[in-house]
Amino acid sequence: DGGITQSPKYLFRKEGQNVTLSCEQNLNHDAMYWYRQDPGQGLRLIYYSQIVNDFQKGDIAEGYSVSREKKESFPLTVTSAQKNPTAFYLCASSPGPAREQFFGPGTRLTVL
Amino acid sequence: KNEVEQSPQNLTAQEGEFITINCSYSVGISALHWLQQHPGGGIVSLFMLSSGKKKHGRLIATINIQEKHSSLHITASHPRDSAVYICAANTGNQFYFGTGTSLTVIP
Repeated sequence: DGGITQSPKYLFRKEGQNVTLSCEQNLNHDAMYWYRQDPGQGLRLIYYSQIVNDFQKGDIAEGYSVSREKKESFPLTVTSAQKNPTAFYLCASSPGPAREQFFGPGTRLTVL
Repeated sequence: KNEVEQSPQNLTAQEGEFITINCSYSVGISALHWLQQHPGGGIVSLFMLSSGKKKHGRLIATINIQEKHSSLHITASHPRDSAVYICAANTGNQFYFGTGTSLTVIP
């Protein structure tokens, strides 16, 4: 079965801790994306990667970091510098930059 | 100012009703996408269109490039259609997302 997986589905962390959200795809897609979703707002782009070992900041990259060491994997680290990290995080992939995006099931992060 | 505006924000319908969700955008696009988000949070792509009209089962999506407007129609609505429907403008470089329309279909 081809698709995108994100883990964990729910994540709790204490203030001041870094946490890494996993995103894996077996669709052989070049491009991968991280979005944040807050109530009443549209999806906002955090980071994206068009190719392995390269990634670009999106609209709200501050307080986040990513890596793209493998085509299949695009983990997102939420650092303690992110002022308001509680949100729903969605990972997506696409064959290319202007193509249809396929979304993972999301990770709901709550900072206590 | 939002690049993508959707209306209505919330919509409640009786089972069997014909439903229309509207999307207006202000950016130049290579494609317009309609997405469906269920209560669990996962998002599914429904349509990607750059002109005219597409149909999939009871769902129909239309776009008017000149007016920068798209509509999503659901015929013979069913409670399982209850979800948030999101419009996204694809400029070729990035996506701009609407805030979504929350649809509830009552049996």
